[in-house]
Amino acid sequence: KAGVTQTPRYLIKTRGQQVTLSCSPISGHRSVSWYQQTPGQGLQFLFEYFSETQRNKGNFPGRFSGRQFSNSRSEMNVSTLELGDSALYLCASSFGDRAYEQYFGPGTRLTVT
Amino acid sequence: GIQVEQSPPDLILQEGANSTLRCNFSDSVNNLQWFHQNPWGQLINLFYIPSGTKQNGRLSATTVATERYSLLYISSSQTTDSGVYFCAVYDGQNFVFGPGTRLSVLP
Repeated sequence: KAGVTQTPRYLIKTRGQQVTLSCSPISGHRSVSWYQQTPGQGLQFLFEYFSETQRNKGNFPGRFSGRQFSNSRSEMNVSTLELGDSALYLCASSFGDRAYEQYFGPGTRLTVT
Repeated sequence: GIQVEQSPPDLILQEGANSTLRCNFSDSVNNLQWFHQNPWGQLINLFYIPSGTKQNGRLSATTVATERYSLLYISSSQTTDSGVYFCAVYDGQNFVFGPGTRLSVLP
């Protein structure tokens, strides 16, 4: 079956703009989690959605937000972009909560100039 | 929160050699996974192994949950094994990644 897909794969934005990233989970998976990967901080958890509800949130400012739709697809939004938001954004899907096996998408590489 | 350590941070091998990567965690876990991140950033699932031993071809993994560590064994390494290996654990609240082991396999 098809894996996790993320769009777009690459993105270049200017400081102060906003961006929306999309993630389509594996069919039948109801949980979607988002992670930010940077060389300095490694892989950090952003938030998790399950059945359209945010279940957990990491330690990120309110400029980072997300949502999940009834078909389990998820979007994350970053407003008022800063240079430090340049990163690889990864989403993962799983059947249930994060005790279940997580499957990751290819990521969206965001560059803020 | 739970702490995850990985060792060694870097490993350079000659093709054909064997290696062992270690993951230590500070508390009991509900989930432990090993991933290989390829040069394009994709995290590839290797093992879902909260406890016990699993094998998949040249790779195998063992998690001793009571002693809070997991080991990933790579035998007869190939250049395509190069990349960063992460372990990640879930303690019921947080899914936390270790800092990774960067493996370079030389031809």
